[in-house]
Amino acid sequence: AQSVTQLDSQVPVFEEAPVELRCNYSSSVSVYLFWYVQYPNQGLQLLLKYLSGSTLVKGINGFEAEFNKSQTSFHLRKPSVHISDTAEYFCAVLLNTGFQKLVFGTGTRLLVSP
Amino acid sequence: ETGVTQTPRHLVMGMTNKKSLKCEQHLGHNAMYWYKQSAKKPLELMFVYSLEERVENNSVPSRFSPECPNSSHLFLHLHTLQPEDSALYLCASSQDRASTDTQYFGPGTRLTVL
Repeated sequence: AQSVTQLDSQVPVFEEAPVELRCNYSSSVSVYLFWYVQYPNQGLQLLLKYLSGSTLVKGINGFEAEFNKSQTSFHLRKPSVHISDTAEYFCAVLLNTGFQKLVFGTGTRLLVSP
Repeated sequence: ETGVTQTPRHLVMGMTNKKSLKCEQHLGHNAMYWYKQSAKKPLELMFVYSLEERVENNSVPSRFSPECPNSSHLFLHLHTLQPEDSALYLCASSQDRASTDTQYFGPGTRLTVL
């Protein structure tokens, strides 16, 4: 079965510092991976996704992620965070079981302070 | 209005009440989803509809009853809920149920069961 692990429930960081949010997956088939962000009192918004091709994926708001098959990871990075990046970040893997099913991790709360 | 909208945004109900959550997508998509988001738990897929036909019922209790009258609207009818059903209920849509297209989420309905 496919699953996603986000080991860090919360990551505090200072403004303008770099950040990495970790995501590991388990899968025995082709992997499609996603990062979503949820700002307070809002729904989820897609940051970026990996379907195939280049292992370095660039998303919105300056975020990027690297697909690493050997380490089964898809970590999210940003070189310099802003206060406005404070949010919950979810990693997800797509199951294609006749319909599109996203399996989400438990989320990582990014707390950016001045 | 664009994207995926949900009403109401907040709902408080007693265990004997009957209420409904509404979701509307303005994206011309063919697939719609209901998710439950509880604190400290991954998002749980509840129901999937494709072209108004239910294609997945993820072992959800019968006190939750979905309805999809057309491809733009999705309802979740609630009756005799339990306090543990308190959560954020998110609706999402995608172009096609079997594609790798992005799922677009609504802002959610925060449900509190007293």
